[in-house]
Amino acid sequence: KAGVTQTPRYLIKTRGQQVTLSCSPISGHRSVSWYQQTPGQGLQFLFEYFSETQRNKGNFPGRFSGRQFSNSRSEMNVSTLELGDSALYLCASSVTGTELFGYTFGSGTRLTVV
Amino acid sequence: ILNVEQSPQSLHVQEGDSTNFTCSFPSSNFYALHWYRWETAKSPEALFVMTLNGDEKKKGRISATLNTKEGYSYLYIKGSQPEDSATYLCASYQAGTALIFGKGTTLSVSS
Repeated sequence: KAGVTQTPRYLIKTRGQQVTLSCSPISGHRSVSWYQQTPGQGLQFLFEYFSETQRNKGNFPGRFSGRQFSNSRSEMNVSTLELGDSALYLCASSVTGTELFGYTFGSGTRLTVV
Repeated sequence: ILNVEQSPQSLHVQEGDSTNFTCSFPSSNFYALHWYRWETAKSPEALFVMTLNGDEKKKGRISATLNTKEGYSYLYIKGSQPEDSATYLCASYQAGTALIFGKGTTLSVSS
């Protein structure tokens, strides 16, 4: 059974550029959540998608956006990158998004903004 | 966005020691509490999902308890082994919100 796949694994971008990260959940999982992890911080919640609809959004600026496709794959976009956006971005999928089941995490995308 | 607190921030024990960590969360509108283990260079891995007050879960030498009325959960590791070295994350889901994580407790076990 394939796990959660995130691409790319590593990314280096310049300030001001934009970036798109991809997450393919486990087959049959309809909920995808995105988290940002920076040094000294825990997993900061970005947003959650369920059946192509954004259910919840964390306290991040509007430069951070996402979407989910009909096959449950999700993308996250960050526009006008800032140095502080350098982080590990993790996505996690779950069966129903009711949080009664544990999340399965991908390996993450390590974004470096220079 | 609710606050999930974990303590201690880090912990160093000797092989064979038993240890425990604390996770506190808002008790209002509680829905579920998750525990994850995050080893270096790997992805967080789910340990337990608990929903009921008084719930207890066990997996091998690791167990967890839940008190939803006062908003805390304990994770216990009996007879720590070097392979238990990892960051342990708890996350709380309140109805209508999202799964919010604490900053974790980093455990280091020396042989």
